[in-house]
Amino acid sequence: ILNVEQSPQSLHVQEGDSTNFTCSFPSSNFYALHWYRWETAKSPEALFVMTLNGDEKKKGRISATLNTKEGYSYLYIKGSQPEDSATYLCAPVSGGYNKLIFGAGTRLAVHP
Amino acid sequence: AAGVIQSPRHLIKEKRETATLKCYPIPRHDTVYWYQQGPGQDPQFLISFYEKMQSDKGSIPDRFSAQQFSDYHSELNMSSLELGDSALYFCASSHRMTPGADTQYFGPGTRLTVL
Repeated sequence: ILNVEQSPQSLHVQEGDSTNFTCSFPSSNFYALHWYRWETAKSPEALFVMTLNGDEKKKGRISATLNTKEGYSYLYIKGSQPEDSATYLCAPVSGGYNKLIFGAGTRLAVHP
Repeated sequence: AAGVIQSPRHLIKEKRETATLKCYPIPRHDTVYWYQQGPGQDPQFLISFYEKMQSDKGSIPDRFSAQQFSDYHSELNMSSLELGDSALYFCASSHRMTPGADTQYFGPGTRLTVL
């Protein structure tokens, strides 16, 4: 069973602020890391799938980095907007299986 | 673009009844996953199917069964429902290219309430 930790649990920022949060996971038997964005009353939206140590991915104002040796990934949001308000979930995958083991998520609230 | 379809969106059942949840994957997706999210909890993986065969199993109770049909849609059958089964049930689908690194696309979920 993977132990996935996300920090902080929640975050309140002002519109225009840049922010980042962390996903920690066991580095042994690592295969891939998925990031999802989950808005209330909607289904999780895939952001990134990362597999290689040192991977950096970007989608608009959102980017992510991956360190598989030490077992963490950072998600960055540049110039936060109110529509970025959501819960951001990470889910590492081990051993080539496809099942996602979700962390508790970071709840981001962006205030105008 | 077509998304994952789940039906029904809401379901209310009594204890000890049965329920069937349906999932229609994105066209050309061959893998389906089921997740359960209880109140205040993270989504928990239940079971997955690839090309109509069970590919992985998580914390799915013995009272639950699932299958994937020839048209790739999947059904989750839940019997002897308990109050604790009340949850949001998500289905996700993917096209298998790199197991473990395939993007899973989630449906809107079925909210099951057991009274």
